[in-house]
Amino acid sequence: EDQVTQSPEALRLQEGESSSLNCSYTVSGLRGLFWYRQDPGKGPEFLFTLYSAGEEKEKERLKATLTKKESFLHITAPKPEDSATYLCAVQDPYNTDKLIFGTGTRLQVFP
Amino acid sequence: ETGVTQTPRHLVMGMTNKKSLKCEQHLGHNAMYWYKQSAKKPLELMFVYSLEERVENNSVPSRFSPECPNSSHLFLHLHTLQPEDSALYLCASSPDGYNEQFFGPGTRLTVL
Repeated sequence: EDQVTQSPEALRLQEGESSSLNCSYTVSGLRGLFWYRQDPGKGPEFLFTLYSAGEEKEKERLKATLTKKESFLHITAPKPEDSATYLCAVQDPYNTDKLIFGTGTRLQVFP
Repeated sequence: ETGVTQTPRHLVMGMTNKKSLKCEQHLGHNAMYWYKQSAKKPLELMFVYSLEERVENNSVPSRFSPECPNSSHLFLHLHTLQPEDSALYLCASSPDGYNEQFFGPGTRLTVL
């Protein structure tokens, strides 16, 4: 069964303390992996798409990387405004309209 | 308006009510989606429309009825809902159904 597992479930960081979030997936032939940020009471905000192992994308303090089994979202020197839930999703290889989501990592960054 | 908009943002309804959620996308996309987000659960895909035709119905109960009159608008008609249907309902759109999806702010639904 195609699955997406995110860890940790929750992460508390001090401002400036870099860390990584993990998204491991089991799909038979990855088409695309997506990272989103979701603030409380709002819809997910698109961050990155990764398509092949070895690919990396960066945006401000965030960098997403991809291997054949997992993706990491690295957060460098986070600020309190980076606090949010980060969601990972993969495309269903048999139905590209469908995204399979993980349950997310809730990140809190304290000043 | 830009991006994907949803109305209303909050809705409280009784189990015997009929209501509708509205979604509009201003991105010129061809695919639109309804998702349900419940606490501690992954986003659940409910319906997919591509070029105004329904291409996916993810085993959703018939008390949820989608409508897509054109490529910019999507509705979710609700009737005789159950308390367990209380959740955040999210609309999304995608250029072509193969790439990233862009989400609206959601409607927080409470069924009493």
